[in-house]
Order: sequence, then C-alpha cells, then structure tokens
Amino acid sequence: GQNIDQPTEMTATEGAIVQINCTYQTSGFNGLFWYQQHAGEAPTFLSYNVLDGLEEKGRFSSFLSRSKGYSYLLLKELQMKDSASYLCAGLSGNTPLVFGKGTRLSVIA
Amino acid sequence: ETGVTQTPRHLVMGMTNKKSLKCEQHLGHNAMYWYKQSAKKPLELMFVYSLEERVENNSVPSRFSPECPNSSHLFLHLHTLQPEDSALYLCASSQEEGNSYEQYFGPGTRLTVT
Repeated sequence: GQNIDQPTEMTATEGAIVQINCTYQTSGFNGLFWYQQHAGEAPTFLSYNVLDGLEEKGRFSSFLSRSKGYSYLLLKELQMKDSASYLCAGLSGNTPLVFGKGTRLSVIA
Repeated sequence: ETGVTQTPRHLVMGMTNKKSLKCEQHLGHNAMYWYKQSAKKPLELMFVYSLEERVENNSVPSRFSPECPNSSHLFLHLHTLQPEDSALYLCASSQEEGNSYEQYFGPGTRLTVT
C-alpha cells in the first residue's frame, strides 16, 4: 500500500517563494505527481517526477528524492491566483494514483 | 469539445431516488476512473475501468454502480444513497502506457443527498 503525507494548510505572501513538502511510503514506486485544484474545480496536472532531481516549469518546480521518499513543489513569484489546494499523488506499480489530502495554500497581499 | 466532461454539474436527490452521473472523455484514452472527494479528505478512488473492463473496486457500497459502455463513456448509477454520500464526484481518464499515468479530470458533479 501507499501512504502520502503533506501539510494541511500554508500561507505565503504575494511575490514570495513557497515550498510544499510531500512524503510517501510505497512499494514498487513508479512516480510522483503534483496537481493543483482551485476551490470548486477539478484537479489539473502540474508535474510528474520519476527520477531524482528537480523538474522546472516556469514558476513551478518539483523535486523528488526516491531514497528519502520525499518530494516538494516549489512556487516562485507567487500570485493571488496561486491560492489553491496542491495535491501530491504517488504511483506504485500498475495501480492507480493514491492522493494525499492536499495542501491548501493561501496567498496574501 | 475537448477534455473530460461531466453531467450534471450539480445534483440534489432524496435518499429514495435513482439517478445517474455521466462522464465523457474526448482524449482517446483507454482508462477511466470515478473518484469521491469529501471535505477535508483525500480523493478516494472508487472504480477503475481499463479497456472497458472494471479492474478495481475499492470496497464501494453497492448503492453505487458503475457502467462503462465504451472507452469514451462512463456512468455512475446511484440508488438509495445516504446523506454521507454527499460529495464532489470526479471522473478522470488516462492513457495507460509506459510509465505515464497522468490523469485528466472532469469538472465534477456536486451531489447533495437530502
């Protein structure tokens, strides 16, 4: 089975940088996803890491350490529209994604 | 029309009603999923269909009955629901090949059981 842990809530200031951490325990690890979900909307794909290291996509970056069972999502130059829930999800073998509870990020002026 | 669509977007039903949720994907994917999202809980996987065959059923009560008539359509038939079944029901699809299982979600159906 899998266990995905991430903080429940975070607050950060507009223009700043925020890091959202995710730890996982899983056998047959096959990759880690980050999704963004605005209130009342569907989750949308942000990133997928299967190898160790940092993947950068514009203002968003995602990092994975397989040996530590650890990932983070880094958001730079925060904007008000980045206020949302960020879902960490793990892929194990050929089983479907297992999602964490999500981290609700509030960006304040 | 592109992506994953779901109807209806909102549904209010009594405990004795029968209703169905519909999902359609226009991405040519070969797998479809139903998830339940309740407040302050993680997304809960309910059903998975791969190549139109059900491959997973996570101990979901029988009052929820899925149907996948073809690779583009997925239904969730609802019967004799309970108030605790009130939640956002999300449909997703993916193309299962290699190591990529990125899922594309529909907008969801907000269900309220009275």
